[in-house]
Amino acid sequence: QQKVQQSPESLSVPEGGMASLNCTSSDRNFQYFWWYRQHSGEGPKALMSIFSDGDKKEGRFTAHLNKASLHVSLHIRDSQPSDSALYFCAATSSGSWQLIFGSGTQLTVMP
Amino acid sequence: ETAVFQTPNYHVTQVGNEVSFNCKQTLGHDTMYWYKQDSKKLLKIMFSYNNKQLIVNETVPRRFSPQSSDKAHLNLRIKSVEPEDSAVYLCASSLGNERLFFGHGTKLSVL
Repeated sequence: QQKVQQSPESLSVPEGGMASLNCTSSDRNFQYFWWYRQHSGEGPKALMSIFSDGDKKEGRFTAHLNKASLHVSLHIRDSQPSDSALYFCAATSSGSWQLIFGSGTQLTVMP
Repeated sequence: ETAVFQTPNYHVTQVGNEVSFNCKQTLGHDTMYWYKQDSKKLLKIMFSYNNKQLIVNETVPRRFSPQSSDKAHLNLRIKSVEPEDSAVYLCASSLGNERLFFGHGTKLSVL
């Protein structure tokens, strides 16, 4: 079983809408979480990190972390067609070299 | 802009051949990685290289070996490829545990 699980597998939202992506970890050692985005034909690119409970906002992107439930979410408001991509949640523990990626959520923003 | 450069973009080979992929980063980072992305887009870490210290994911077959000449270069060699090695190989770099910067990947097809 994957240590970092994401849902849904795929998501379609209309342009201008809100996209919500979820991520759950099964390893309580994981304390640091990242969201990465991968457009077709490119490598993943880091969007934002979240290490503390609560919300973190960067532009149209808001991440939320609940360490007690090991749940992380990413919300994209005013979604744009250019946001269409594969989104990965990734987690690591203190002192670890390994960044463990979830299986990804394919987001499609329809014009 | 790209700061992690991978060559070649694509490589087609036959079972049993040896292949080598190159990776160079111009970010001044101290750690480099190789990830494997399979046909389902799952990302699995293979190696990490930091200050001449190599850390290997124990699930990586022995036919895979990283090669580094300096901290800006980390190549990947596969001694005798097998069909299950068909994938996209992504090189990345980071400064310590900060965000990873990925290259565009090398797509390997084993016939």
